[in-house]
Amino acid sequence: AQTVTQSQPEMSVQEAETVTLSCTYDTSENNYYLFWYKQPPSRQMILVIRQEAYKQQNATENRFSVNFQKAAKSFSLKISDSQLGDTAMYFCAYSGAGSYQLTFGKGTKLSVIP
Amino acid sequence: DAGVIQSPRHEVTEMGQEVTLRCKPISGHNSLFWYRQTMMRGLELLIYFNNNVPIDDSGMPEDRFSAKMPNASFSTLKIQPSEPRDSAVYFCASSSRGDSPLHFGNGTRLTVT
Repeated sequence: AQTVTQSQPEMSVQEAETVTLSCTYDTSENNYYLFWYKQPPSRQMILVIRQEAYKQQNATENRFSVNFQKAAKSFSLKISDSQLGDTAMYFCAYSGAGSYQLTFGKGTKLSVIP
Repeated sequence: DAGVIQSPRHEVTEMGQEVTLRCKPISGHNSLFWYRQTMMRGLELLIYFNNNVPIDDSGMPEDRFSAKMPNASFSTLKIQPSEPRDSAVYFCASSSRGDSPLHFGNGTRLTVT
């Protein structure tokens, strides 16, 4: 079974600084998808970024980028120029190719400090 | 696009009562998921439907839990009888195909006293 591990329960960062959230996963599949979801205090789950395992290029969405290391099964999220609105829980998630199921990590609580 | 719509947003009930959570997926999405989120266990998949058919309900904790999807635009998750340990946030999500991300509703916070 696939597992997703987020080893940092909580992190904090100063406004305008850069922070990196870690995620590792375990799978025997060669093709799959990885995601980062954000859950602000409003409780809504918001997709931040998505990576396809067969693509070597790291995904980027504005201030959010990933460092995808397939051999190491690592998928970290970098947030640049952190903003107060980035304060939220961040969940790393895995989905096998052709599978509809997402396996989530336990989450990292990020606080952006003014 | 109205997004995934869940109701109610909050539900408080007494132990032993029946609880019904409702979900309207995004139009055109053919897969629907029910997740439960707790502090202890994080996000757990309870059940998912593809084209209105339950595909995997192995995450449903007990027979007290049941889910239905009578048509492509509506699903329910029912707990009967409810227990305090069922207190959690229940999310519904939908997707258009296997490699597309899930779109989540705003969740229902269930409190069973």
